[in-house]
Amino acid sequence: NAGVTQTPKFQVLKTGQSMTLQCAQDMNHEYMSWYRQDPGMGLRLIHYSVGAGITDQGEVPNGYNVSRSTTEDFPLRLLSAAPSQTSVYFCASRVRTGGYEQYFGPGTRLTVT
Amino acid sequence: RKEVEQDPGPFNVPEGATVAFNCTYSNSASQSFFWYRQDCRKEPKLLMSVYSSGNEDGRFTAQLNRASQYISLLIRDSKLSDSATYLCVVNRVRGADGLTFGKGTHLIIQP
Repeated sequence: NAGVTQTPKFQVLKTGQSMTLQCAQDMNHEYMSWYRQDPGMGLRLIHYSVGAGITDQGEVPNGYNVSRSTTEDFPLRLLSAAPSQTSVYFCASRVRTGGYEQYFGPGTRLTVT
Repeated sequence: RKEVEQDPGPFNVPEGATVAFNCTYSNSASQSFFWYRQDCRKEPKLLMSVYSSGNEDGRFTAQLNRASQYISLLIRDSKLSDSATYLCVVNRVRGADGLTFGKGTHLIIQP
């Protein structure tokens, strides 16, 4: 199993550009989520999904969109990048019920200039 | 009070020493507790779950104190490879999302 994969690993955007961060998992996990991690702030939840076709907002959803058309994929879209979105983004997945071990992807380091 | 609080450190500890750190949580109804480890510029990974009776995994011992609402992690005979950030994680009681992450405690093991 590849686990949770994310692409790209690094990305530099200019203010106002849009892009999609890709996330995929091959563990048949129902639950997937996106976090951002900033120095001194810890991991903050952006959006999550409890299954295909179902998404919901986390703590810091503004400026981001998600969709979940399949169990495997959970892309994160930045609509109009801002310097405040410079961060490390982690995708994660786990089974929906009965367990809380969360598997993280390797992260995407995004810089917005 | 923040949901999950940790001392950010850094804790500078000589190799071979024992080190312990705590994490406090605010919601008394929380039921699941974990320690994750995060190496520099890497993703977090589960280190161990924390059970009510306490649990041990090799050199690592985790304990839960529900009355005082804290969990602890003890590392014995510390190794250089234990240098990392340790994240305290507690389940959210409300909402569909499961977990609240502490900001982490940075541990540096010195030779």
